[in-house]
Amino acid sequence: QQQVKQSPQSLIVQKGGISIINCAYENTAFDYFPWYQQFPGKGPALLIAIRPDVSEKKEGRFTISFNKSAKQFSLHIMDSQPGDSATYFCAIKAAGNKLTFGGGTRVLVKP
Amino acid sequence: KAGVTQTPRYLIKTRGQQVTLSCSPISGHRSVSWYQQTPGQGLQFLFEYFSETQRNKGNFPGRFSGRQFSNSRSEMNVSTLELGDSALYLCASSSDSTQETQYFGPGTRLLVL
Repeated sequence: QQQVKQSPQSLIVQKGGISIINCAYENTAFDYFPWYQQFPGKGPALLIAIRPDVSEKKEGRFTISFNKSAKQFSLHIMDSQPGDSATYFCAIKAAGNKLTFGGGTRVLVKP
Repeated sequence: KAGVTQTPRYLIKTRGQQVTLSCSPISGHRSVSWYQQTPGQGLQFLFEYFSETQRNKGNFPGRFSGRQFSNSRSEMNVSTLELGDSALYLCASSSDSTQETQYFGPGTRLLVL
């Protein structure tokens, strides 16, 4: 039962470019939408998160855009750097405190 | 503050055996969640414990079980191991009852032969 679909599965971007990752969810009973970043050999780490009452949140080079009516949210990485090369996961949380993750996007930033 | 620690980091078992993995949350965190990560299925929620009680459970067979101790440390057990149980098992802790900000450990990589 997949409740969140993430795309693309992988992404190659040049240094300085913009990386865009999209997620779509299937119902409206979610109240928290985090993005996690995972480097090889490490556990995921919270990168940025948004609530459904906000349409956009920016933290440094990372921005979440949220479209409640379309049930979609996306992560934009501006001025992508080689150090941003990692796997990114979107997630959704409903009441009941369980996080459901998207399938992940492997991002490679070429110097 | 020390981060989430998991032991052991690597484990090799054979089919039919059982295994116990351990997780020590960040000091003061009372919620501990477990996830299985595989290339094919991604990150899948196993269960969550809060104050020694299982609060949520994912869609895994009964071979997967867990518990939490009074000091918030948690263990998960997998009995009668199958080849498909080979995965990275991640533990995450959270400081509040809403589980919103989860801090993950480095994981235990389990290989079942």
